[in-house]
Amino acid sequence: DAKTTQPTSMDCAEGRAANLPCNHSTISGNEYVYWYRQIHSQGPQYIIHGLKNNETNEMASLIITEDRKSSTLILPHATLRDTAVYYCIVRVGGGLNSGGYQKVTFGTGTKLQVIP
Amino acid sequence: EAQVTQNPRYLITVTGKKLTVTCSQNMNHEYMSWYRQDPGLGLRQIYYSMNVEVTDKGDVPEGYKVSRKEKRNFPLILESPSPNQTSLYFCASRKELSAEQYFGPGTRLTVT
Repeated sequence: DAKTTQPTSMDCAEGRAANLPCNHSTISGNEYVYWYRQIHSQGPQYIIHGLKNNETNEMASLIITEDRKSSTLILPHATLRDTAVYYCIVRVGGGLNSGGYQKVTFGTGTKLQVIP
Repeated sequence: EAQVTQNPRYLITVTGKKLTVTCSQNMNHEYMSWYRQDPGLGLRQIYYSMNVEVTDKGDVPEGYKVSRKEKRNFPLILESPSPNQTSLYFCASRKELSAEQYFGPGTRLTVT
């Protein structure tokens, strides 16, 4: 699995958009970009994933650059409950066409602090 | 309720005393994994399993064993725990044709 690079920490004002970047310059053609978050010491929670197209769900949007070497997770209106560590992961398989490879590397993530 | 459960949630033990942390999921998921989390090191995968009787090493498998005799259970075994295995442990599972991984609540282990 390709390695990712994320800033160690970021602040965001409550109600504003939080833009969390991730570099994955060695990503392979069959690797997807996943985002998870971990609130305090709870188990990580899945947010969103994508291959090359931008994706949006009820939690966030994922913007992947055309060369796929970086991506940005966008929380459109950050709330205090969005304060967490956000992990960007790349791995083979996006679900619908995945086979079996399941090794995952999480890294240390970005600690997002939403400020009132 | 769909969930991943881990037991115990907290455990303090002594060096060398064998222990097992259980993990169970009620979602009929094929894939299950174990992770440990340490300050400054993030989440690191210990072992994973793609189905019953199919397991493989993650990034930090030394000192751990796993088994997958039933689809719903994936216990983590520490045959001879050492203080460097003091950590927060997470079990996770996902359906084969799904992107979303579900995590358990965590087990905080202290080895003295």
